[in-house]
Amino acid sequence: EPEVTQTPSHQVTQMGQEVILRCVPISNHLYFYWYRQILGQKVEFLVSFYNNEISEKSEIFDDQFSVERPDGSNFTLKIRSTKLEDSAMYFCASFPSGGYNEQFFGPGTRLTVL
Amino acid sequence: LAKTTQPISMDSYEGQEVNITCSHNNIATNDYITWYQQFPSQGPRFIIQGYKTKVTNEVASLFIPADRKSSTLSLPRVSLSDTAVYYCLVGDRGSARQLTFGSGTQLTVLP
Repeated sequence: EPEVTQTPSHQVTQMGQEVILRCVPISNHLYFYWYRQILGQKVEFLVSFYNNEISEKSEIFDDQFSVERPDGSNFTLKIRSTKLEDSAMYFCASFPSGGYNEQFFGPGTRLTVL
Repeated sequence: LAKTTQPISMDSYEGQEVNITCSHNNIATNDYITWYQQFPSQGPRFIIQGYKTKVTNEVASLFIPADRKSSTLSLPRVSLSDTAVYYCLVGDRGSARQLTFGSGTQLTVLP
């Protein structure tokens, strides 16, 4: 069964450093998303991406965040200058064209900012 | 977006049927009801989706009354591995819009 994969599974970084979280969505999917979940809190939407551009973004997704689909398979989330409060699980998800509201989530990357 | 309300937590014992109810009083005509499951440190996983009456798959059943202002996820004969957070979401089927998760229901299955 096809699945969304994410790397790394755990990333530890120092405050102020840049991190890139990587995702490989399901190959025939067209819509891609990043969500985050701070420990013990809700899953929160960050950004959606379609046709090589951002479709929607939340208030969380400020100028320190960016997304990119550098090739036909990878989808990345960059955090330019990490803050302590960026520590969270980051989930990538994908959605097929013509799908029925079932987004497929990856296993997540746990980001720890020290 | 229709707001959803579900219990914060529920406990059950292995082998029992568990019913988790979600209320969504402001559901729109085009909205479907979707349930996701999330295990600790994993991404949410789609369980079931429905519009009205009853839907059943290999994992669960979803009961939706005629007024559609609530829905009940039914898990038959739960096991310890069903311990997870269950989320009820309401939205337009086929929409690629982002999902809005509430706090969900923490189901704990006891031996």
